[in-house]
This record gives sequence, structure tokens and C-alpha cells, in this order.
Amino acid sequence: DIVMTQSPDSLAVSLGERATINCKSSQSLLYSSNSKNYLAWFQQKPGQPPKLLISWASTRESGVPDRFSGSGSGTDFTLTINSLQAEDVAVYYCQQYYNTPALTFGGGTKVEIK
Amino acid sequence: QVQLQESGPGLVKPSETLSLTCAVSGYSISSGNYWGWIRQPPGKGLEWIANIYHSGSTYYNTSLKSRVTISVDTSKNQFSLKLSSVTAADTAVYYCASFEGYAAYWGQGTLVTVSS
Repeated sequence: DIVMTQSPDSLAVSLGERATINCKSSQSLLYSSNSKNYLAWFQQKPGQPPKLLISWASTRESGVPDRFSGSGSGTDFTLTINSLQAEDVAVYYCQQYYNTPALTFGGGTKVEIK
Repeated sequence: QVQLQESGPGLVKPSETLSLTCAVSGYSISSGNYWGWIRQPPGKGLEWIANIYHSGSTYYNTSLKSRVTISVDTSKNQFSLKLSSVTAADTAVYYCASFEGYAAYWGQGTLVTVSS
């Protein structure tokens, strides 16, 4: 199984500042035949199901603010929230789908306001 | 827009079988995609349980495989989960989802508590 490790477990960021969340996989998520990374990012607010933010490591879903961006390749990935807003307080998860349909999630990163 | 809705008992006794159904609207299961279940224990992270393709091919989390069965009913456009021999550790919010590799669409989730 591919193990996904997120860091940090939590972080507190001032409004308007940048939040950076890391996700590391135990094996490469880069599929050589199409040069795509099989990595997604989700946002989960209390009492709600996770919401898909980013797929293919860096493709933002429709309607997701452009302050959210994904980067990285292979085994190391980053979710960046530029100019943090109050509504961005949530837990963020990465998910690999390289082994689809067998999937694994990272442990989650809680983002709070400092 | 794909919509999913979980249903089933909110309370299950230890050693019994948890049974949930996910009704799909806005998309025909027979058209493709994977369909499956993810759970989240209170205050904890997400755990993928199982997926099924419209053809009936199934895929299970290795840690749960011995206790899980996923099935699909294309005539009712729904799919189901059975988890046997439950314990308190199986208490969680259970989500059904539609997968395009990543979990693209989610149900609202249903809390299942295992308690006598």
C-alpha cells in the first residue's frame, strides 16, 4: 500500500498570510506514460464531507479560489494557501490515486487562524 | 451533477453487521466510474474502505477485506456496503463517493455508532 504522510499536523497562520501544507508519498505518484501525478487535495470543514480542491497535483477544481495552489511531483507535494481567509479554516487532506481503485489519504493538516 | 445519499441504521450492536446503502442521482452508475465508501472515526482522518465498478469488479482495503462486502444494484442506481463483526472501533461517519481516480463527489455522510 502507498503510505501518505502529511506535515505539519496543524498550523496557525495570520489572516492574509501564507499557509503551506506538505504531503509525502511512500512511492512515486508520477505515471511516466502521461507525466501526470495522481494526487488530490481536499478541504474539510466541521460537519461537512471533504471538498475536492485540486486534482492531478496542481489542477484546481472549478470554483476553487485561485489563492489555493498545488505543486510537486513524484513523492513530494505541497498545498499552498496564499492570503489566508477566515473561511479557509479547515482540515486539509491529500489523497493518492496512483493505485486506483485502491486509495489512501494523508492524515490531515488542521489550519487555524493565529 | 452527481448526488449521493447514504442511508442505514445509525446504531449497530457489537459483533453484528453494519449495512449501508448509497442512492445515486444525476448520473447512471452503469455509465462508468468507480463507486465506493470512505469512513472517518470521530475526530480522526479519512479511511478508504472499498470500491466497486459498474461491472461489479470490487476492490477492498486490505485491512478490512475479511469483513467487507460492497455490491451494486444498477436497476436501482445504488450501491451498498456490509461490514461484519463490528466493534466500537468501527464507529465512524461513513461516506459514499464517486471516484474518477480521486473522490470527485461525496455524500453528506452518516454516523454509525457501534454500541450495545
